[in-house]
Amino acid sequence: EAQVTQNPRYLITVTGKKLTVTCSQNMNHEYMSWYRQDPGLGLRQIYYSMNVEVTDKGDVPEGYKVSRKEKRNFPLILESPSPNQTSLYFCASSSPGRLPYEQYFGPGTRLTVT
Amino acid sequence: RKEVEQDPGPFNVPEGATVAFNCTYSNSASQSFFWYRQDCRKEPKLLMSVYSSGNEDGRFTAQLNRASQYISLLIRDSKLSDSATYLCVVELPPGGYNKLIFGAGTRLAVHP
Repeated sequence: EAQVTQNPRYLITVTGKKLTVTCSQNMNHEYMSWYRQDPGLGLRQIYYSMNVEVTDKGDVPEGYKVSRKEKRNFPLILESPSPNQTSLYFCASSSPGRLPYEQYFGPGTRLTVT
Repeated sequence: RKEVEQDPGPFNVPEGATVAFNCTYSNSASQSFFWYRQDCRKEPKLLMSVYSSGNEDGRFTAQLNRASQYISLLIRDSKLSDSATYLCVVELPPGGYNKLIFGAGTRLAVHP
């Protein structure tokens, strides 16, 4: 089954404790992206990757890191989480050249930082 | 001004009703437009693309008005299963799949 998986699905952590949210896709997509979703603000892009070893900042990259060592995986790293990073996070993937650039989203990770 | 603006709703409608949502965008050079659907606490999923000529998919019709910079989604004969949040999505220039801007969503609640 074609899918994007994220782990963990739910996480409660404390300020400053480094964490990683994993994202994996099995569709051989070149493009992957991380978003956060907050009430009233919609989905905002954190980082994206056009292919292996190619990453770039989105609209709200502060406090986050990513890596793309393999095509299928795109982990999101919070080196020192803060309460303002409490949010719902989605990973997405898509394949270039396919209209309408449909993005496939993972099930989401609900993060709470206390 | 937000790049993509939507009325948050909620739109509370009875089954069988026709309901329409509008979405405005600020960048006149935007190239592609989409509607995504998001069920409560779930991931967004593509509902349909929006073409200049308008397009229809069953009970759903999407329209684009470039002059006024808005897109619309019309749902006819609403079903209970249509209850969800509808996200307006705009692709920013210069084009390419890396820059999609999502609206905050319009919530629809269909009741019996």
